[in-house]
Amino acid sequence: EVQLVESGGGLIQPGGSLRLSCAASGFAVSDNLMTWVRQAPGKGLEWVSAIYSGGSTSYADSVKGRFTISRDRSKNTMFLQMNSLRAEDTAVYYCARDRESSGFPDSWGQGTLVTVSS
Amino acid sequence: QLVLTQLPSASASLGASVKITCTLSSGHSSYAIAWHQQLPEKGPRYLMKVDSDGSHNRGDGIPDRFSGSSSGAERYLTISSLQSEDEADYYCQTWATGIHDVIFGGGTKLTVL
Repeated sequence: EVQLVESGGGLIQPGGSLRLSCAASGFAVSDNLMTWVRQAPGKGLEWVSAIYSGGSTSYADSVKGRFTISRDRSKNTMFLQMNSLRAEDTAVYYCARDRESSGFPDSWGQGTLVTVSS
Repeated sequence: QLVLTQLPSASASLGASVKITCTLSSGHSSYAIAWHQQLPEKGPRYLMKVDSDGSHNRGDGIPDRFSGSSSGAERYLTISSLQSEDEADYYCQTWATGIHDVIFGGGTKLTVL
């Protein structure tokens, strides 16, 4: 069974850093296109970043230069390193798998909440 | 610019059917989209992919009460025999060819009366 479990969220001051993790089971993270999507309180879904099976990465303009996506094959886990956090980064962060690398995530985690506030 | 447009809300009665629409921006009518369901306080759940010819491919475990179709630049999600647990937000999603960025519609909140 495919399962994705996010962790690492919490309350952080503006300008601070946080690293989110997405632990996967039932498939290999490194063999799939993996994505981070966020949802600000009361708002819709917003794509954040993706890492492809070949290792290339992509970022939304709103996080480019501040966030870094990566993965660890041995831990079967994907990460999102978030630096220079802003109030507008406050959101629930979801990880998702795109099994066919088609651009359509087919499995989602339950999310982890990041709150950026002083 | 690739944009997906959804009405913010929809409603239908228990046991009835409802059709939720997602409209692709001008020049992008050939794009496939996916539908995702988000129950209150839960993570999204992939429902299906809908191609421009109306063919659709449901995700694992998605009941056949959920179906997809297309007409021009519009993509539809039809839910039949509505149940109370279908009350959720429904998002359409596509991706930008070339840069592989995922794009979401604004979501449609479905109320089951």
